[in-house]
Amino acid sequence: QQQVKQSPQSLIVQKGGISIINCAYENTAFDYFPWYQQFPGKGPALLIAIRPDVSEKKEGRFTISFNKSAKQFSLHIMDSQPGDSATYFCAACADSWGKLQFGAGTQVVVTP
Amino acid sequence: NAGVTQTPKFQVLKTGQSMTLQCAQDMNHEYMSWYRQDPGMGLRLIHYSVGAGITDQGEVPNGYNVSRSTTEDFPLRLLSAAPSQTSVYFCASSYRTDTEAFFGQGTRLTVV
Repeated sequence: QQQVKQSPQSLIVQKGGISIINCAYENTAFDYFPWYQQFPGKGPALLIAIRPDVSEKKEGRFTISFNKSAKQFSLHIMDSQPGDSATYFCAACADSWGKLQFGAGTQVVVTP
Repeated sequence: NAGVTQTPKFQVLKTGQSMTLQCAQDMNHEYMSWYRQDPGMGLRLIHYSVGAGITDQGEVPNGYNVSRSTTEDFPLRLLSAAPSQTSVYFCASSYRTDTEAFFGQGTRLTVV
């Protein structure tokens, strides 16, 4: 069973809109939460990551919000652009030398 | 700089055949891992290694073997291919689990 549950499976957003992807976890030992972006035919690449000592992290148009008590974290893509059309994966791990486990992925399509 | 190199990019196998997927990295990373990507399932961890001579099982290890004789190489072996192993396979490397993972371009494997 997947340790990190991701939703929605897909979403369509207009150019300039906000894309929101949510992830939930059960393992309270998780202490590193990255987001990866994957374009068709390519391997995933790190987009942004957060640790549980902060509730929000922003890099350009991408923001992670983290709610430790609810065991949830989300990715917000502001001012979405057609070039943001990709599959996004959340992930989590519990220690420096263990397993990095991924959610099921969200396919984002940004329409012109 | 090459990063993570996977070979081959495409492969078709008959049921029962064996093969090795190659993965090499030139970043002197201790942590390496293999994932399979299937539609709607995200990236599932097959095996991982925290250094030369040390490997461990991920979420879906059955039917796959690995070894890590050098820091650079982490091959994945399919001993007797089954149609259920049809998938896209990704190798990744990182300094530790909780640091940026660099993925290869993937191997698309079809078992008929």
